[in-house]
Amino acid sequence: DQQVKQNSPSLSVQEGRISILNCDYTNSMFDYFLWYKKYPAEGPTFLISISSIKDKNEDGRFTVFLNKSAKHLSLHIVPSQPGDSAVYFCAAKVGGGGNKLTFGTGTQLKVEL
Amino acid sequence: NAGVTQTPKFRILKIGQSMTLQCTQDMNHNYMYWYRQDPGMGLKLIYYSVGAGITDKGEVPNGYNVSRSTTEDFPLRLELAAPSQTSVYFCASSYRDRDLEQYFGPGTRLTVT
Repeated sequence: DQQVKQNSPSLSVQEGRISILNCDYTNSMFDYFLWYKKYPAEGPTFLISISSIKDKNEDGRFTVFLNKSAKHLSLHIVPSQPGDSAVYFCAAKVGGGGNKLTFGTGTQLKVEL
Repeated sequence: NAGVTQTPKFRILKIGQSMTLQCTQDMNHNYMYWYRQDPGMGLKLIYYSVGAGITDKGEVPNGYNVSRSTTEDFPLRLELAAPSQTSVYFCASSYRDRDLEQYFGPGTRLTVT
């Protein structure tokens, strides 16, 4: 049972344009959502997070939107840069001890010149 | 400050062999985690620890064992390796609940043949 889903395995965007990565979830007990970025042969690195009590969080070029009623979140990257080319994972956490994360399958973003 | 380090980077095992994947963090983090990532899939939690001497199962613990005798180290033991354990293994760490961000090591690529 995939509780966190990223239905687009890949996305191609031109440099300077907006990249929108989507994530859907099924578990209404998730209270925090995170986005991680992963380059080949490296571990994932934290990008941005959002609490379930908010609907938007912004950090520089990165903005995450949360729609709780639709159980959907999205990551917007504006403007997209070639260095943003990576795999992006959506992750979610249920409240309680351990900070255990449930990850989506990832979206490969390619930013073209 | 090296962050999270993992050894080895690569390993090939024969079916039935055993090995220990090493993980060390120098950030004085309380929480540590082991994940595996299969091709085209997200990361799945194997085991986690909320402090020295305390470990618990994640989503896919079968075929693995862990121990946490110090704050810094969290080794993952594979007994009787099977082809289904061919994967990339990531170790991660985080502070206690106040910090959701998990810091990941570079991963160990394991092949069981």
